[in-house]
Amino acid sequence: GNSVTQMEGPVTLSEEAFLTINCTYTATGYPSLFWYVQYPGEGLQLLLKATKADDKGSNKGFEATYRKETTSFHLEKGSVQVSDSAVYFCALSNTGNQFYFGTGTSLTVIP
Amino acid sequence: EAGVAQSPRYKIIEKRQSVAFWCNPISGHATLYWYQQILGQGPKLLIQFQNNGVVDDSQLPKDRFSAERLKGVDSTLKIQPAKLEDSAVYLCASSLQGSSYNSPLHFGNGTRLTVT
Repeated sequence: GNSVTQMEGPVTLSEEAFLTINCTYTATGYPSLFWYVQYPGEGLQLLLKATKADDKGSNKGFEATYRKETTSFHLEKGSVQVSDSAVYFCALSNTGNQFYFGTGTSLTVIP
Repeated sequence: EAGVAQSPRYKIIEKRQSVAFWCNPISGHATLYWYQQILGQGPKLLIQFQNNGVVDDSQLPKDRFSAERLKGVDSTLKIQPAKLEDSAVYLCASSLQGSSYNSPLHFGNGTRLTVT
């Protein structure tokens, strides 16, 4: 079947620290992979995506590389800001554009 | 472009009452989704429409939940009767193409339901 496993939070970092949020997946076929971000009181927003193996998605300083050999799509950012505080969701989509989400990782960045 | 619109933003009802949520997807988006997000969890798919046909409703509790998408545009999700465990945020999302799995989801801000 299809599923996504994320590292559990919450994660608390100081401003300018390096961020990694781990994500691994199980899927049939060749899924597309996504990271979504959810700010308080809002819906999920697409952060970045990758559609095939070895693709790197990037946006707003965040990056993630689609690793088929390790079935992973870890999210990284070199220097986090207070404004990055949010909940981050890893997701995959498969046949018929059906999406499967991880449980989310809460990030708090302190000044 | 205008985003996915949902209403109401908040709703408080007593158990056994009924409630309805409305969603207007992004113009031209063929696929519409309803998700349930319980506090501290990821979104769980309730139902997926492609135009006005149902693609997947396997996780929709059909004894109490119903959804429709009239004319392949707006959609309504109804709960009748509500239970305490239905307290959650109900998210509507849309995507441009249903058959392609490269189309990202665009989410509305959700409706926060509290059942007392």
